[in-house]
Amino acid sequence: QQQVKQSPQSLIVQKGGISIINCAYENTAFDYFPWYQQFPGKGPALLIAIRPDVSEKKEGRFTISFNKSAKQFSLHIMDSQPGDSATYFCAASSNDYKLSFGAGTTVTVRA
Amino acid sequence: DTAVSQTPKYLVTQMGNDKSIKCEQNLGHDTMYWYKQDSKKFLKIMFSYNNKELIINETVPNRFSPKSPDKAHLNLHINSLELGDSAVYFCASSQPPQGSEQYFGPGTRLTVT
Repeated sequence: QQQVKQSPQSLIVQKGGISIINCAYENTAFDYFPWYQQFPGKGPALLIAIRPDVSEKKEGRFTISFNKSAKQFSLHIMDSQPGDSATYFCAASSNDYKLSFGAGTTVTVRA
Repeated sequence: DTAVSQTPKYLVTQMGNDKSIKCEQNLGHDTMYWYKQDSKKFLKIMFSYNNKELIINETVPNRFSPKSPDKAHLNLHINSLELGDSAVYFCASSQPPQGSEQYFGPGTRLTVT
């Protein structure tokens, strides 16, 4: 069963808009929450990651918001650009090497 | 200066054949992984090795056998290929501690006909 639920499956945003992707988990042992970005024909690459001791982390136009009590976290892409068009995966892991991925969100940024 | 490389990039074969995919990383990482990405883009871990020792073995048919000759290489051998094995297979590596960035290879697209 999928341990990390991700939504929406896809979204379309205008250039300059905000893209928001949400993830939820049940396993309270998870303590590492990365987001990966994947372009067509390429492998996923780490975009940004957060640990549960902080509620928000920002790197450039990308921000993770983390709500430990709700067991939810989200990725915000500010000022979306056509080059951000990709599939985004949230993931989670506990004190092991195993990453559990969400189902992915395909983001299309229209110029 | 490729970090994680896989060969071949594309593999087309018939049902019942045996095939191998090779993976090499030059990052000096101790841990390597195999993932399967299906047609809906869902990524699922299959195996992981840490310093040549198998540490993750998910529910994968025993037709799939990983082999790690040294900590820079992790190969995947698949026996008696089935149509459902068609997918993109990604190799990845990371360095402990647990919960650190995983670096993915470019993937091998396997098509079984």
